[in-house]
Amino acid sequence: GQQVMQIPQYQHVQEGEDFTTYCNSSTTLSNIQWYKQRPGGHPVFLIQLVKSGEVKKQKRLTFQFGEAKKNSSLHITATQTTDVGTYFCAGLLTGGTSYGKLTFGQGTILTVHP
Amino acid sequence: SAVISQKPSRDICQRGTSLTIQCQVDSQVTMMFWYRQQPGQSLTLIATANQGSEATYESGFVIDKFPISRPNLTFSTLTVSNMSPEDSSIYLCSGERGGIDTQYFGPGTRLTVL
Repeated sequence: GQQVMQIPQYQHVQEGEDFTTYCNSSTTLSNIQWYKQRPGGHPVFLIQLVKSGEVKKQKRLTFQFGEAKKNSSLHITATQTTDVGTYFCAGLLTGGTSYGKLTFGQGTILTVHP
Repeated sequence: SAVISQKPSRDICQRGTSLTIQCQVDSQVTMMFWYRQQPGQSLTLIATANQGSEATYESGFVIDKFPISRPNLTFSTLTVSNMSPEDSSIYLCSGERGGIDTQYFGPGTRLTVL
């Protein structure tokens, strides 16, 4: 079955440092989505990438989708304590029995030390 | 974004009993899903809730253990049957707006089985 691997599992940074999490799929994706889950909260949608090589930015967050549509990354510049949480990538396949279903990566737990 | 409510928010149950979790979504949602999330872990898809028909279960999940109903577009229930401590987890429902692919999650139900 489809697998989405995400690294690192944990990341501890000092406030102001940058942070990157990486996602790799075993199969080509229709799109990839990123979610953030604050401690004690539920996953909240951040962004969706659809096109090969796509790059999107949201303030200090930069999202990239690989040319082969199998990998993605999320980069946060100058982290703040409000960035604390778990970041999940989720890949979407279309067609076949996996239609419409997201496969989530393991998540990266980000801790930001003030 | 879609509005999704879920109840109960948490419960503590005895081994061998069953708990039904309710999920209410707004009218923009077409597809509904149920996930399980162990503390500190990723999300695992249990099933896709289909309106007016049997849910579509993922590998490792069966209807006898996790019966799901979706009598109309905006409401679904997940029952965790004959519970054991291994069923202690957070159960999340999500909704997807037609043609957009992104999912919006409910606040989750934190279940503890003693």
